[in-house]
Parts: sequence; C-alpha cells; structure tokens
Amino acid sequence: GAVVSQHPSWVICKSGTSVKIECRSLDFQATTMFWYRQFPKQSLMLMATSNEGSKATYEQGVEKDKFLINHASLTLSTLTVTSAHPEDSSFYICSARDTLFYNEQFFGPGTRLTVL
Amino acid sequence: AQKVTQAQTEISVVEKEDVTLDCVYETRDTTYYLFWYKQPPSGELVFLIRRNSFDEQNEISGRYSWNFQKSTSSFNFTITASQVVDSAVYFCALSEAVGAQKLVFGQGTRLTINP
Repeated sequence: GAVVSQHPSWVICKSGTSVKIECRSLDFQATTMFWYRQFPKQSLMLMATSNEGSKATYEQGVEKDKFLINHASLTLSTLTVTSAHPEDSSFYICSARDTLFYNEQFFGPGTRLTVL
Repeated sequence: AQKVTQAQTEISVVEKEDVTLDCVYETRDTTYYLFWYKQPPSGELVFLIRRNSFDEQNEISGRYSWNFQKSTSSFNFTITASQVVDSAVYFCALSEAVGAQKLVFGQGTRLTINP
C-alpha cells in the first residue's frame, strides 16, 4: 500500500528558531501534497496545498512567509516553520495524492512540534 | 463553501453497545467525496472509507457500516458491538471531486468505549 513518511516525528525547539519538516511519499509519486495543522483537541485545518515544481497555495490566514513550503520533487515536500513561537506548537500532518490513483490521498504519521 | 458538521463532541458507551456517529455536510458541488478517518491517541490518521457522491449505497465492513443520505446531506457511521479498541477520535471529511481536492474536516467526535 501507499506509504507517506514524515520526519521528524517530534521536535522541540527554542522560540525564534526555524524547524523543517519533511514529507515523503515512499512508493508512489505525488504531484500534490497537503499540509494540515491540528491543535490539541481540535480538528485538522488545511494550511496549504503543495504542487511539485510550483509555488504552494496557502489557505486564508496562513502566513506564507512564516510557513515556507517547498515541493522540489514528486516524492518530497518540506514545511519550514520560520522563527517559531510557542503558539506554533501543534501537530503537523501532511498528505500526498497519488498521481496514478488520482483521487487517493494518503496521510503521513504527523510531526509534533513544541516551541519553548 | 464546503462545511462538515459533527455535532457530537464526545460519546461514551459500554463495550458491546452499538454507536452511531453523525456527520452532516454542506457543499455546492454536484460531485464530491465523503470520508471517515479514525485518529487513535498516536495521532496517525487511519482511513476508513471514501464514498463518491453518486454512490448512495450503504456500506458494511465487518462491525462498521455507513449510511449515506444525500437527501439530508448526511453520512453517518455506525459501529456495531463496540470494542475498547474502537476508542479514538473519528473525523468525517469532504472533498471536491475535481481540482485540488482539498479535504475539509468536521470537528471530530471523541469516542470512548468503556469495558
């Protein structure tokens, strides 16, 4: 089955530093990847849609200069949280859409970010 | 705009009871997909089902069943003979069938099955 990995699975950083989260599709190609954020006891909220080789599309209210997304290949998208602050602490989940099975979307295991 | 409502924030039942999780959606699209996901304490989303808007047949998979009623814009999920391992947060979600196909999630229902 299709597998999506995320690295790291958890990270703790100091306020003001930047953190990079990787999302990889391990056994399929993904032209589109999505980044979601989930605060404790809340639902998943889409942050941005990442398309391979082009700029990401951000949802309303998401700062594109703070959450940098790069989708440089068909199997890798990265989310960089720049100048992280405690309010950025959250569970970040990516998903990848299989280009062969156009409507199938597979989720990664998530990355728990804690900013001190 | 698309919207998914899961009115039940938390449900607690005793093991072996049947439980139904409600999901009501709003969309202007004529073609769309509906989903259910399970999120155990580990956080990783577990895919349960995807339903195309053209397919209104109910589906059964083991102890799980889904009732899709287009007339009431509902896609309810029933667990029969619940087990402790069913305890998790369950999300209903909606996506357009074309274009970016972004998922819109409901607020989630926290289900606790007590022994």
